[in-house]
Amino acid sequence: EPEVTQTPSHQVTQMGQEVILRCVPISNHLYFYWYRQILGQKVEFLVSFYNNEISEKSEIFDDQFSVERPDGSNFTLKIRSTKLEDSAMYFCASSRDRGTNEQYFGPGTRLTVT
Amino acid sequence: ILNVEQSPQSLHVQEGDSTNFTCSFPSSNFYALHWYRWETAKSPEALFVMTLNGDEKKKGRISATLNTKEGYSYLYIKGSQPEDSATYLCASEGAAGNKLTFGGGTRVLVKP
Repeated sequence: EPEVTQTPSHQVTQMGQEVILRCVPISNHLYFYWYRQILGQKVEFLVSFYNNEISEKSEIFDDQFSVERPDGSNFTLKIRSTKLEDSAMYFCASSRDRGTNEQYFGPGTRLTVT
Repeated sequence: ILNVEQSPQSLHVQEGDSTNFTCSFPSSNFYALHWYRWETAKSPEALFVMTLNGDEKKKGRISATLNTKEGYSYLYIKGSQPEDSATYLCASEGAAGNKLTFGGGTRVLVKP
């Protein structure tokens, strides 16, 4: 069964460093998303991406964040200069279409900023 | 701003018993309600996507109902088994915008 994969599973970085989190969505899906969950809090939306551009972003997704689909398979989230409060589990998701389609989630990357 | 709430936060169920728990969401600007099952260290698994008032969906021993007018959904587990132990997340999708707003989850522990 097709699945969303994410690498790495765990990343530790120092404050101020850049990190890139990688995702491989399901191959025939057209919509891609990043969510995150800070420990003890709800899963929260960061950004959605369609047709090579951002379709919606939350207020969390400021200039420090960027997304890219560099080739036909990968979808990346870059944090330019990490802060302690960026420590969270980051989830990638993809869906075939808008609306009532399920969003399929990857297993997450745990980012720890020290 | 959507505010999605789930209750209870956690519950313990004896193997073989049935249980249910709630997701509440703002009924205005509603498009769809998603349920996920999430086991530690695994990907959240999509269970149901529901859109219509009165919708009922079933997958094995798990079923869900939806009331869009009053803004709630119930998830039911019939004859709980230890493998049902997981966190169950609901998420509301507003106006076909794709963005999911999640509740805090209900952690279910089924005791043998």
